[in-house]
Amino acid sequence: NAGVMQNPRHLVRRRGQEARLRCSPMKGHSHVYWYRQLPEEGLKFMVYLQKENIIDESGMPKERFSAEFPKEGPSILRIQQVVRGDSAAYFCASSPPQAYGYTFGSGTRLTVV
Amino acid sequence: QQPVQSPQAVILREGEDAVINCSSSKALYSVHWYRQKHGEAPVFLMILLKGGEQKGHEKISASFNEKKQQSSLYLTASQLSYSGTYFCGTEPDFGNEKLTFGTGTRLTIIP
Repeated sequence: NAGVMQNPRHLVRRRGQEARLRCSPMKGHSHVYWYRQLPEEGLKFMVYLQKENIIDESGMPKERFSAEFPKEGPSILRIQQVVRGDSAAYFCASSPPQAYGYTFGSGTRLTVV
Repeated sequence: QQPVQSPQAVILREGEDAVINCSSSKALYSVHWYRQKHGEAPVFLMILLKGGEQKGHEKISASFNEKKQQSSLYLTASQLSYSGTYFCGTEPDFGNEKLTFGTGTRLTIIP
């Protein structure tokens, strides 16, 4: 049973380009969460999605950031017109509907140059 | 609001015990504990639900005091493999399933 799959593991983008991060949840998990982590800091919530629905996006910056979890395919976190401050590790986690722990993916390390 | 963890960092010799605390200003439905090693993803340790239960396995256990909105993680007879940063994640009383993670506690175990 494959875990949460994130790709790419590392992504380098020039300022102004778009970054697209993918996350495939564990089989049977219908809830997907995205978190951002800066070096030596904690995990900051960004967005919580279920299939075709954004449940909570209170942690997402209002501009340039968007997320989706389509009926088919992985969840996508999209960052448009990236800036240096977007450089961070982005972790995706999934869980089943009930109160279970999260399973995290290996993360995508985004570097903006 | 982000839960507060204490201590921020602790260094132990192998075999010593440690307690990591997590406090929230909000009523809680659940508390989760995770360990993250440098450069890796956080790994789920355990979840405690409203009801004040204590859970654990082998030498790692935890308690949840819902009246005080506090949880504590207990590591007994620590091993080198316990090194890492420990995060608590809290879920508000209405159980909307989004976790807010604490500030983290860096644990270093030395031989």
